[in-house]
Order: sequence, then structure tokens, then C-alpha cells
Amino acid sequence: SQQGEEDPQALSIQEGENATMNCSYKTSINNLQWYRQNSGRGLVHLILIRSNEREKHSGRLRVTLDTSKKSSSLLITASRAADTASYFCATDGRRGNNRLAFGKGNQVVVIP
Amino acid sequence: GAVVSQHPSWVICKSGTSVKIECRSLDFQATTMFWYRQFPKQSLMLMATSNEGSKATYEQGVEKDKFLINHASLTLSTLTVTSAHPEDSSFYICSAEEPVDEQFFGPGTRLTVL
Repeated sequence: SQQGEEDPQALSIQEGENATMNCSYKTSINNLQWYRQNSGRGLVHLILIRSNEREKHSGRLRVTLDTSKKSSSLLITASRAADTASYFCATDGRRGNNRLAFGKGNQVVVIP
Repeated sequence: GAVVSQHPSWVICKSGTSVKIECRSLDFQATTMFWYRQFPKQSLMLMATSNEGSKATYEQGVEKDKFLINHASLTLSTLTVTSAHPEDSSFYICSAEEPVDEQFFGPGTRLTVL
């Protein structure tokens, strides 16, 4: 089964608005990470939240983690055109080998 | 920050030929590297875990004889797609793991098999 399944949605917003994405997973995790991918490019690590954390901030990013619901959300505040990308969550299960399971991804388009 | 490179960034080959993709950790030693495949508009799927000096561990459904992985040094892992066919066309991404267990991703290699 696939870990880290985001809600399958494409999000189109105006510059300056906030963008929220969700991610759900199925098994116990050590941590959950969010990545950004611009079209045809590699992944950029955004933020990591550990299983014992509930919320984490990094600049304009806010991540929450609810282990009871096995879900996470990524909020990008005051979006910019440069935030246009696909966003993936990835979970690191408690298997001791750091194999990441990626979700389907959310396509975010920020309109200038 | 830690940098991972891949070479080539894109490659076009004829059906039946083999293609080698390199993944290098430029400023750190990586005992473990991972290889992923990503089809258009889809997520990354882990293909295999590459450990320096030992055989790679392949995910279920990934043919080890078709996707040969060699991790000969702490800074280099290679993925060879043997006898490539059009259905192997994809975006191949590697990641390298630092000793503190954080993974850093390469920029990816776009493979097109004609």
C-alpha cells in the first residue's frame, strides 16, 4: 500500500493568497517530510516534522501533523508566483532503513 | 548544504541499448543511495536501495537484471538500464543519505527510449 497519499487536487490561487495541501498515510512513521518539485526538476526539501511534533514552521511554511488521524497539512502563506510547483509529502516508516514513500503530489499554480 | 549530482541530465537512446546514469554526492559520503522513477504527472516510486560495497535491495516488481545498480564508492552509485525499451522512458531520480539520516536528491535524469 502506498504511504503519504495527498488529496488528489490541483490548486490554483492568486498571488498573496494562502495555499493548503493535505497528506494522509497508512502506517506508523518516524517522520514526515514535504518536498517541492518544479516541472521536470529534482526535489527540494522543504520541511521535516517528526512523529512527536504537532506543528512546525519554516519561513512562510507551516506544517501540521496529526498522528491519530495519520494526516499532515502544508500551508504556504502569502504565496508567490515562484511557489508554482508540485508538492509531495513523504513518510519514513519505522523500518529502520529510511526508505521514503511518496504521495501523489499536489500541483499548485500561483497566478501573478 | 549537501549536493547530489546526476549525469546525464537527459539522454535519448534507441530501443535495445543500455544506458548508465550516475549519481554522485559531491560534498559528503553516502553509505546509502536510493533510486526512484517518476512517470509524467505521477509521484516518485522507489526502485531500489543502494548500499556501498554490497548488493542493492530492489523493491517489489523492479527487475534487478534490467536495472543494474552499482555502488562502488561512498560518493558514487550508478543505475544501468539494460536493453531499454520505450516503456522505460521516465524521469530517474537518485538520493543520497547523509550519516545524520537526511536524504538529498539529485536533479534527475530524463530518459527517452525511441
